[in-house]
Amino acid sequence: DIQMTQSPSSLSASVGDRVTITCQASQDISNYLNWYQQKPGKAPKLLIYDASNLETGVPSRFSGSGSGTDFTFTISSLQPEDIATYYCQQYDNWYTFGQGTKLEIK
Amino acid sequence: QVQLQESGPGLVKPSQTLSLTCTVSGGSISSGSYYWSWIRQPAGKGLEWIGRIYTSGSTNYNPSLKSRVTISVDTSKNQFSLKLSSVTAADTAVYYCARTFITGWFDPWGQGTLVTVSS
Repeated sequence: DIQMTQSPSSLSASVGDRVTITCQASQDISNYLNWYQQKPGKAPKLLIYDASNLETGVPSRFSGSGSGTDFTFTISSLQPEDIATYYCQQYDNWYTFGQGTKLEIK
Repeated sequence: QVQLQESGPGLVKPSQTLSLTCTVSGGSISSGSYYWSWIRQPAGKGLEWIGRIYTSGSTNYNPSLKSRVTISVDTSKNQFSLKLSSVTAADTAVYYCARTFITGWFDPWGQGTLVTVSS
């Protein structure tokens, strides 16, 4: 099993702040890493695929980077509508998700 | 655009079999190179992939659940289904269906359906 470890598990930031979430894989997964946004009571939504590719229609303030075992997800300027839980997901060996990062407005 | 909708009982008794169906609309389940997956999320917890099916009927399951899971497809109804046997309270969760790209991501997802295991 490939374990995905996200940090932090929760985060409080102000509107306009730059927000960074990290995801570490338990083994090399190349760039086989996706990021999702889940708002309360809703299904997850794909934001970033293959570590750094922005899904069509997703605002450009969202970005992703990394390869191998260490990955980063960034919101360049936090907006109120970005309040959600964010998950990373690997697909190098089946599919596993990180435990999530709950993002709140300060 | 493609949309998915889960349906099935919201309450299942312990030791019984959980059965859910996902109906795909806005496109044929047989078109394109996609798998179709089930994913679950216990309340307040993270996401767990359960398994996937290709329209040929080929399946793959999470090793941790493999002994209890069956996923099937009915292309004539544009549906795929999940059966999870011998359920316990630990199987209580919101269950999602999702289109799964060959390249590895899930998009779109159904809205999810809560299944509670309780007597």
